[in-house]
Amino acid sequence: QKEVEQNSGPLSVPEGAIASLNCTYSDRGSQSFFWYRQYSGKSPELIMSIYSNGDKEDGRFTAQLNKASQYVSLLIRDSQPSDSATYLCAVNSLGSSYKLIFGSGTRLLVRP
Amino acid sequence: ETGVTQSPTHLIKTRGQQVTLRCSSQSGHNTVSWYQQALGQGPQFIFQYYREEENGRGNFPPRFSGLQFPNYSSELNVNALELDDSALYLCASSLDRGGITGELFFGEGSRLTVL
Repeated sequence: QKEVEQNSGPLSVPEGAIASLNCTYSDRGSQSFFWYRQYSGKSPELIMSIYSNGDKEDGRFTAQLNKASQYVSLLIRDSQPSDSATYLCAVNSLGSSYKLIFGSGTRLLVRP
Repeated sequence: ETGVTQSPTHLIKTRGQQVTLRCSSQSGHNTVSWYQQALGQGPQFIFQYYREEENGRGNFPPRFSGLQFPNYSSELNVNALELDDSALYLCASSLDRGGITGELFFGEGSRLTVL
């Protein structure tokens, strides 16, 4: 079992729709959770971090965390073609606070 | 505030050669982490340097080595290059090993192609 799992996609949504990206993790000791956006050929860019159960909103982005289910999600409202990218879920575990464990990413395509 | 900078941005090597990649950390940051990202995969942790000492290492062979300098800049060295070493190498700096939050901010990366 991979430590952090994501559906590779592509997830295709029309412009203006809500895109929902999901991630599960295996280490129950995980403390910090992150979503990175990565455009083709570029480096990952941190867009959301979440540390406690529930929702965290920042503009059009909402991160959701459910530690009991070991599940993290990212919602993108009013999706734009410029949101088309690969979204990487990353987890920082208590025992290895010095490193992030990344999923393989979900590719999002927003159709004009 | 200057962000994380990496050099070179692209390079091509042949099998068996050695490569050195460089990273300048963000101002005020004392920790540098290196990640390898193969095509279609997420970044994988190579190692971290905190105040010039290695502070953790991922599942990479000893031919991957690093240094951190007093100004907190860092180098990643890879000896005896193999075809599978072709990847994007990412450097991220942070304060105090990532602190409580563990947030990392990456440089633009060095894309290595091994022929």
